[in-house]
Amino acid sequence: GQNIDQPTEMTATEGAIVQINCTYQTSGFNGLFWYQQHAGEAPTFLSYNVLDGLEEKGRFSSFLSRSKGYSYLLLKELQMKDSASYLCAVMDSNYQLIWGAGTKLIIKP
Amino acid sequence: ETGVTQTPRHLVMGMTNKKSLKCEQHLGHNAMYWYKQSAKKPLELMFVYSLEERVENNSVPSRFSPECPNSSHLFLHLHTLQPEDSALYLCASSQEPGGIQPQHFGDGTRLSIL
Repeated sequence: GQNIDQPTEMTATEGAIVQINCTYQTSGFNGLFWYQQHAGEAPTFLSYNVLDGLEEKGRFSSFLSRSKGYSYLLLKELQMKDSASYLCAVMDSNYQLIWGAGTKLIIKP
Repeated sequence: ETGVTQTPRHLVMGMTNKKSLKCEQHLGHNAMYWYKQSAKKPLELMFVYSLEERVENNSVPSRFSPECPNSSHLFLHLHTLQPEDSALYLCASSQEPGGIQPQHFGDGTRLSIL
């Protein structure tokens, strides 16, 4: 079966760095997405990786290793507004999105 | 402003009621989606529409009935729901179905079944 694993919850301190991991086992691969979802709000697109390596976008970076079935989202200089759930999703060979259950990130002052 | 608007934001209904959820997208996209989001579970894709034609139905019970009258509007008609149907229902749109372009989501309808 197809599976996406990410930690259920993480806690970090304001101003620090946090890395949220995502491992996947899917039938084929056509890219990996990260979304941010604040409580009670819509998921919003953060990043898309289809080739190995690091993609940087301001304070957020996303890394992909296709051979390891692994990605991470790196958040730097954490702010209180970064408290949210972070969803990992992989597009399989049929261009279907397979979603992880999300990682709830709690930022403490 | 997400470009995808869902109404109502909250809905409480009894198991014998009939209600409808509405979604409208202002992005000119050709594909629209209904998802179910339950606590601590992955998003569950329910239905996909492409240019008003249903292209996917993921074994969703018949008590959920989608309708897509045009490429900007999507409805989810509900009847005789069960308590386990209580969840957040998210609508999304994208340029094309199954493409690599990101999906744009609405804020969802929080549904509670009494």
